[in-house]
Amino acid sequence: DTAVSQTPKYLVTQMGNDKSIKCEQNLGHDTMYWYKQDSKKFLKIMFSYNNKELIINETVPNRFSPKSPDKAHLNLHINSLELGDSAVYFCASSRAGGLTGELFFGEGSRLTVL
Amino acid sequence: AQSVTQPDIHITVSEGASLELRCNYSYGATPYLFWYVQSPGQGLQLLLKYFSGDTLVQGIKGFEAEFKRSQSSFNLRKPSVHWSDAAEYFCAVVVTDSWGKFQFGAGTQVVVTP
Repeated sequence: DTAVSQTPKYLVTQMGNDKSIKCEQNLGHDTMYWYKQDSKKFLKIMFSYNNKELIINETVPNRFSPKSPDKAHLNLHINSLELGDSAVYFCASSRAGGLTGELFFGEGSRLTVL
Repeated sequence: AQSVTQPDIHITVSEGASLELRCNYSYGATPYLFWYVQSPGQGLQLLLKYFSGDTLVQGIKGFEAEFKRSQSSFNLRKPSVHWSDAAEYFCAVVVTDSWGKFQFGAGTQVVVTP
């Protein structure tokens, strides 16, 4: 049973389109995250939610809108996609903002914008 | 500024040889330290973590790491590398006054030769 699952695994789309990525965790964690990994493998935090409340918003363009309907789910919607949005997006979860345990990652969603 | 540095972008090691990956951090508060491994096309898997106590930490897959506060380092080691250890390795830090803000190093790519 996958701990952190995200769908879809691959997205290929045209510039200007809108897309969403969904994430679910079954670990009972209270904190969820979105990370972006660029082509050089650099991992950058985008957002973090704790108990459905936005805690971290790291200078991400407002075309990116996270939504957390409940503690176990964190979705990412991207409007007006640009070439530079091509990356692998990782969902992750932890307990208590990582101060009592590690991040658990999903397998990633590879977004390609043409 | 707070940062996590992995000085080696790329390391090539022969199968059976020892491996050491370096990680340095620059944070004022107490750091919690992690090493993750990412195989091609996969998510990140935790190798080991340090929160407190014994500064030599044992992890999965035969890896260990040593926390040296005086050197602000958390280097990862493995005595004898297997071909399956070829992957990208990331050091990560979260600090007590930066709730939820895991910062990752740029990663070290490990290539294992026969």
